[in-house]
Amino acid sequence: SAVISQKPSRDICQRGTSLTIQCQVDSQVTMMFWYRQQPGQSLTLIATANQGSEATYESGFVIDKFPISRPNLTFSTLTVSNMSPEDSSIYLCSVEDSGQGAAEAFFGQGTRLTVV
Amino acid sequence: GQNIDQPTEMTATEGAIVQINCTYQTSGFNGLFWYQQHAGEAPTFLSYNVLDGLEEKGRFSSFLSRSKGYSYLLLKELQMKDSASYLCAVRDSNYQLIWGAGTKLIIKP
Repeated sequence: SAVISQKPSRDICQRGTSLTIQCQVDSQVTMMFWYRQQPGQSLTLIATANQGSEATYESGFVIDKFPISRPNLTFSTLTVSNMSPEDSSIYLCSVEDSGQGAAEAFFGQGTRLTVV
Repeated sequence: GQNIDQPTEMTATEGAIVQINCTYQTSGFNGLFWYQQHAGEAPTFLSYNVLDGLEEKGRFSSFLSRSKGYSYLLLKELQMKDSASYLCAVRDSNYQLIWGAGTKLIIKP
């Protein structure tokens, strides 16, 4: 299992500014995942963060808008840049036990972002 | 494209049984997960199915039929604390998790 500490838990931000979300894991993990969850909708994968390499972004998400850092095997940050009200959502970081099919996903507490 | 369907909302009575269905169309299949998510909290793992059949874990059971692309989560002896969203997720051929939108379960006394 893994325990993930994510912060901030919530924030209200002005349009055009940026917010950096941090996730700290209590064990070393190869891959960390960043998701967005809008009200009543499914978890949407933003990117996969690997230590020592560039993050892999999903269709519709770009590095300039969502830069990710992964300085070591226990920590990652996601920045939401030049925010607009459409970025208002819950952002979640996640890790998995292994790269195998049965690997359970563990989540941070989530960051509820409101852009005004 | 990849798609996972589950009902948006269900209502049930305390002490009763409820079945939440999930159908999926994905590129490959490497297992199906059910997660529980209370309002304002992160999802937590409930069950995993990779072979056809029923997996039972206490009050919760999960069923899978790969040929039908279908699963259900069965909750027995419902308690008020079971009020939450239940997310179905499938691991595809790339081992990526594809998530359903979740079913909001409302328990009434």
